[in-house]
Amino acid sequence: DSGVTQTPKHLITATGQRVTLRCSPRSGDLSVYWYQQSLDQGLQFLIQYYNGEERAKGNILERFSAQQFPDLHSELNLSSLELGDSALYFCASSVGPGGRAEETQYFGPGTRLLVL
Amino acid sequence: DQQVKQNSPSLSVQEGRISILNCDYTNSMFDYFLWYKKYPAEGPTFLISISSIKDKNEDGRFTVFLNKSAKHLSLHIVPSQPGDSAVYFCAAILTSGSRLTFGEGTQLTVNP
Repeated sequence: DSGVTQTPKHLITATGQRVTLRCSPRSGDLSVYWYQQSLDQGLQFLIQYYNGEERAKGNILERFSAQQFPDLHSELNLSSLELGDSALYFCASSVGPGGRAEETQYFGPGTRLLVL
Repeated sequence: DQQVKQNSPSLSVQEGRISILNCDYTNSMFDYFLWYKKYPAEGPTFLISISSIKDKNEDGRFTVFLNKSAKHLSLHIVPSQPGDSAVYFCAAILTSGSRLTFGEGTQLTVNP
């Protein structure tokens, strides 16, 4: 158990819908990262928040957005869903803002999203 | 543009033997490398890491070797155990960066 929790574990929805994925980081970690794992793209970095502020942005679609709340939990919002958004979405957390090799990222169990 | 590549999708070894998983990268600005292990229905679990200023790091049965000139790293597991059967991901971080760039993963199967 990494200490990172994600809900829900599974989500089935229809095209065009909107969903929210939730992540709680390990106790004491200030950074939250979101990654997407799809069959054809592997594990891809989406976005990072550090202490409530966006820190780094990767291959995140405009239909997707995220935020980190004062209690440090984070939500990833996916809207106007398409079939291709079906994937595993992982959250990870680390102690600091990144940029130092020692800041290992610890991953949650993931949310499996299926868009029908 | 796949900057981190694991060219072997799968590897099968006998229990007690050595497992060697390989990873190549193209971006010379990567300065920290990690290996993660992933079981089905779980998130990636951190295994071992190495800084670009080193060429070897060891932790128990796991050793990572880095060859910067060849832009190649490898993970050695000795001795391999059936519980090591999982997907292994190689990942890299850019200098002063925070995002992990992952390889495609290698499915390791250790046969009893």
